[in-house]
Order: sequence, then C-alpha cells, then structure tokens
Amino acid sequence: KNEVEQSPQNLTAQEGEFITINCSYSVGISALHWLQQHPGGGIVSLFMLSSGKKKHGRLIATINIQEKHSSLHITASHPRDSAVYICAVSTQGGSEKLVFGKGTKLTVNP
Amino acid sequence: SQTIHQWPATLVQPVGSPLSLECTVEGTSNPNLYWYRQAAGRGLQLLFYSVGIGQISSEVPQNLSASRPQDRQFILSSKKLLLSDSGFYLCAWSFRFYTGELFFGEGSRLTVL
Repeated sequence: KNEVEQSPQNLTAQEGEFITINCSYSVGISALHWLQQHPGGGIVSLFMLSSGKKKHGRLIATINIQEKHSSLHITASHPRDSAVYICAVSTQGGSEKLVFGKGTKLTVNP
Repeated sequence: SQTIHQWPATLVQPVGSPLSLECTVEGTSNPNLYWYRQAAGRGLQLLFYSVGIGQISSEVPQNLSASRPQDRQFILSSKKLLLSDSGFYLCAWSFRFYTGELFFGEGSRLTVL
C-alpha cells in the first residue's frame, strides 16, 4: 500500500461544479502539500498546510491530522482548472522525506 | 522574487549517449535543490537532493549522477543513457529541507530511443 493515496484517479466535471479531491496518508507528517501539474508538465505549489484549512481564490484545502486525511476543493470549476492535482506529504521521523501521491487527473468540460 | 529555470525543455537522445540537464535558481541563496523524475503514469520519484555546494545525496541507484558546482546551479548527468531513463525530469528548490514549500522548474522531457 502506498504511503499516500489519492482519490479519485480521474475526475470529469462540468464547468461550475464543486469538486473534491481526497488524499489519505499512513505516516506521521510535518506538512502536506497540494500541487497542480499543468498539461505541459509544469508543477505549481498550491498549498502547504499542517493543520486546519487554507483558501486561495476558488481553491480550499483542508487537513484532518487525526484522520490522516486532506481534501482539495474547487468551487465554481472552470476548464482552466483541468490539470493533475498531486498530494505530497513531508514525513516526520529519523528520515524525513517527501512522499507523493500518484495524482488526480481533473478534466472540466465547458 | 525567486525564479527557477531548467533546460532543455525537450530532448531526444539515442541509447548510450550522454545527458546533461541544467537547473538554476535566481533570487535566493543556499536553496535546497532536488531532481525528480516522473515516468508515464507514475508519481514523482526523488532522484537526488542537495543542501549545499558539492553536497549530493542519491535516493535511488541508477546510472544518473548529479552535481552542484555553484550555489544555485544543479546539474543532472548520465554518461550512457538507457531506454528506461526516458521520462519527465523536474528540478525543484525549497527554503527548508523537505518541509518547505517546493518550487518547480518547467521540466525536461527526455526520450531515449
């Protein structure tokens, strides 16, 4: 089992829909990252959080440390939100490292 | 502001040929630097990281190597490419090692034929 699991793997939505992408992890973490990979391949960091909730524009990221779960929400989705969304965790312990999920491919149709 | 540049963006190389991908960071000093590879349908895999000039740590054994000749320069190399080296390579940097926000370069798509 991977240390970071994302769901769903693929998601298709209509413009305007509310979207949720989930991330579960099985290790102790110091932070969780949400990244966006555009069709061309470039990756942008959306959020880094260790507790609670963060909001940037139409994007909201939440994390529940006790349940080892995070969600990324997109309100009023738009075709330009189409991308792969990647969850990654900074692990704690003697050997800190970044562990990545496999990503969720989101397609928003007009 | 800080920027990161990576090149070349795309390259097609024959098996057995050498490789050099270069990454530079501007607007900051002593960044933590990383090379990642993303194979088709798979997640990001850390190849190398560096916390300072001349300091390179390898995460996976392979025929690739990395060097950091200057504070803000990170180079990924190979003497002889294999078919399995094909993939999308990303350079990244962070202020804090592993726990800081990551900033990625544009990526380099390598096809080995």
